[in-house]
Amino acid sequence: AQKITQTQPGMFVQEKEAVTLDCTYDTSDQSYGLFWYKQPSSGEMIFLIYQGSYDEQNATEGRYSLNFQKARKSANLVISASQLGDSAMYFCAMREGLEDDKIIFGKGTRLHILP
Amino acid sequence: GAGVSQSPSNKVTEKGKDVELRCDPISGHTALYWYRQSLGQGLEFLIYFQGNSAPDKSGLPSDRFSAERTGGSVSTLTIQRTQQEDSAVYLCASSLVNGPWEQYFGPGTRLTVT
Repeated sequence: AQKITQTQPGMFVQEKEAVTLDCTYDTSDQSYGLFWYKQPSSGEMIFLIYQGSYDEQNATEGRYSLNFQKARKSANLVISASQLGDSAMYFCAMREGLEDDKIIFGKGTRLHILP
Repeated sequence: GAGVSQSPSNKVTEKGKDVELRCDPISGHTALYWYRQSLGQGLEFLIYFQGNSAPDKSGLPSDRFSAERTGGSVSTLTIQRTQQEDSAVYLCASSLVNGPWEQYFGPGTRLTVT
């Protein structure tokens, strides 16, 4: 079974609109961490945001926020006021457990921001 | 400060040859990861090193793939008897073990097997 599922292979969004990128995860651990990374066409991987499983509040970093719904095992990324530069691949990832830092990635969502 | 570096940036090799890919992590980062990314695809986990612990090799696709990390720093990923399906971008990342846990990625090595 996949550990990280991103159901949207591609999305088209009008500039300045908010965007929600879906991510669900599968783990039996109580302690885990969730990440979102951005990969522009240049290929570099850029860390965006992190949510720990025990964090009670949703993580926010500027225009990025993580809608963490623990019971549903959901960790959607919300980008407010989208910009043309947000066009990229977005990957959701998970680290399981306290000791194991292995991080597993989803297959990604390609986001296109339309002018 | 210096980020994660990888070399070479591009490698073209003939089928059947061996290749070595190098990763220099950020100084002080004890966790090091190798991933493979085929064109337009997600990141496939290959191997993970943490400090002096035995590496997690669970993602290596075959016994033609191996990796080592010398002195807890530089890592080399070796692919023996390369096949065309090995063509991909190989990404290395490093992180701190005790948090924050975000990974810092290198620019990758694009491997093309002809």
